[in-house]
Amino acid sequence: AQSVTQLGSHVSVSEGALVLLRCNYSSSVPPYLFWYVQYPNQGLQLLLKYTSAATLVKGINGFEAEFKKSETSFHLTKPSAHMSDAAEYFCAVRGANNLFFGTGTRLTVIP
Amino acid sequence: KAGVTQTPRYLIKTRGQQVTLSCSPISGHRSVSWYQQTPGQGLQFLFEYFSETQRNKGNFPGRFSGRQFSNSRSEMNVSTLELGDSALYLCASSLSHSTNTEAFFGQGTRLTVV
Repeated sequence: AQSVTQLGSHVSVSEGALVLLRCNYSSSVPPYLFWYVQYPNQGLQLLLKYTSAATLVKGINGFEAEFKKSETSFHLTKPSAHMSDAAEYFCAVRGANNLFFGTGTRLTVIP
Repeated sequence: KAGVTQTPRYLIKTRGQQVTLSCSPISGHRSVSWYQQTPGQGLQFLFEYFSETQRNKGNFPGRFSGRQFSNSRSEMNVSTLELGDSALYLCASSLSHSTNTEAFFGQGTRLTVV
């Protein structure tokens, strides 16, 4: 069975600081992993996906994530936070027929 | 290319009523999935349709049902509404049901049951 765990339900960073959002996965097969972002009263927007082509995945808005099999992790990073990055972020793993989501991390950016 | 369109965006219903939500996937996408999002339970899978067939169903009561039409548009229905059904209902479309296919989400329908 597949699942993901997001460590930290709330993360606060200063504008311009590094963003690090943590995600660990559990999967009995090679995983397909995704990061989504959700702004208030909006749906989910795909930031990036890992499908085994490369361990370092670059996404939109300057985000990237690194797949580390030895650590079963897929952490999301951005070198410099912007005010517009304030949102909720979800890590997800693809199962046979659906996505399994983490509980989300709310990112606050302090000016 | 137009994204996933969900209608209506907001809905207020009374306990005991039923409701139908609509989802139009991205053109060419044949797989449609539905998710319920609540503060307490997070994002939970409801069901997935591909080529008008329900392929998988999450752990929800039979009051929740859905269907997909030949043009890939999908509807979900909730009968005998309960207060706990208040949630954001999200529809996602995918090109196929392959495991490496990304899902694109609509903006959701916010259902409030009073």
